Amino acid sequence: NAGVTQTPKFRILKIGQSMTLQCTQDMNHNYMYWYRQDPGMGLKLIYYSVGAGITDKGEVPNGYNVSRSTTEDFPLRLELAAPSQTSVYFCASSNRGPEKLFFGSGTQLSVL
Amino acid sequence: GIQVEQSPPDLILQEGANSTLRCNFSDSVNNLQWFHQNPWGQLINLFYIPSGTKQNGRLSATTVATERYSLLYISSSQTTDSGVYFCAGDSGNTPLVFGKGTRLSVIA
Repeated sequence: NAGVTQTPKFRILKIGQSMTLQCTQDMNHNYMYWYRQDPGMGLKLIYYSVGAGITDKGEVPNGYNVSRSTTEDFPLRLELAAPSQTSVYFCASSNRGPEKLFFGSGTQLSVL
Repeated sequence: GIQVEQSPPDLILQEGANSTLRCNFSDSVNNLQWFHQNPWGQLINLFYIPSGTKQNGRLSATTVATERYSLLYISSSQTTDSGVYFCAGDSGNTPLVFGKGTRLSVIA
């Protein structure tokens, strides 16, 4: 059972470039989340989804977009990368609401 | 929204020692959880503990929801316990809010 899978694990972007962080889960969870973690800080919610076709903003959504076309996949899009988006990004899923969360292994992104 | 405060921010232990980590919430909290982030960055869910006490090996957690706090106990600490411990909760129909974590270093 793979759980939550994120790709890529590492990426370096130039300012203004775009990219998509991929996240897929095989636990048939309805809820999926994207968090970012800055050095020495906790996790801040970017976007979340309560089911296919439904997404909502979290605490820090500016500069990001998401889509949820299937239960399994929840990609995160950065359209115009900025240095402030240098962070570690975690995808997570849960079965019902904010109950027990399962995390992917993270994507370390640097924008230079 | 709900505020989460964790203490202590940093903790250094000798291998074999016991410790208690605390998590305070500014408001009534639901779906309280504890996570361990290992030195490689992986986040593992330790406990889902909205109330009461749970134990898993050398780790146990207690949540007193009415008093808005939770405690994580680590007994007979090992070097593999090193990392950052996060608590998180929500105030109802909202996504989880995370604390800033307690960084634990266990020295052999």
